[in-house]
Amino acid sequence: EAQVTQNPRYLITVTGKKLTVTCSQNMNHEYMSWYRQDPGLGLRQIYYSMNVEVTDKGDVPEGYKVSRKEKRNFPLILESPSPNQTSLYFCASSWGSGSYEQYFGPGTRLTVT
Amino acid sequence: DQQVKQNSPSLSVQEGRISILNCDYTNSMFDYFLWYKKYPAEGPTFLISISSIKDKNEDGRFTVFLNKSAKHLSLHIVPSQPGDSAVYFCAASPSLTYKYIFGTGTRLKVLA
Repeated sequence: EAQVTQNPRYLITVTGKKLTVTCSQNMNHEYMSWYRQDPGLGLRQIYYSMNVEVTDKGDVPEGYKVSRKEKRNFPLILESPSPNQTSLYFCASSWGSGSYEQYFGPGTRLTVT
Repeated sequence: DQQVKQNSPSLSVQEGRISILNCDYTNSMFDYFLWYKKYPAEGPTFLISISSIKDKNEDGRFTVFLNKSAKHLSLHIVPSQPGDSAVYFCAASPSLTYKYIFGTGTRLKVLA
């Protein structure tokens, strides 16, 4: 089954404790992206990757890091999480190269206390 | 500054009637627009899209209209069904980028 998977689905952590949210897709998509969803703000793009080793900032990259060492994986790293990073996070992928339709993962709800 | 705006946070429609969801944008560099549907506890799913070279695109019960001069797009659902009850996001992408700007969403409730 074609899908985007995220782990963990739920995470409660404390300020400053480094964490990684994994994202994996099995569709051989070139393009992958991370979003956060907050009440009243919709979805905001954090980082995106056009292919392996190619990443760029979205609208809200501060406090986040990403890497794309393999085509299928695109982890989101929070080196020192803060309470304002409490949010619902979505990973997405698409074919890229003119294909705009993105496939989203199920989401990761992160709470930073 | 919100470049993509969905000014109606919610909308209720009777089953069988038309649902019209609206989206306004400010950036004239946007050249591709998409609508996504989101159910609770799930990720958004792609619904329909339109390129700036068109003013209408249809897919079954869903039609998207684009008015470039007004920087406005709308999604029409005809006829509306209870299963259409969800949050709908419009999104826009500037030309030659892989950036996406989403609106804040409109919660549609279709009443049986």
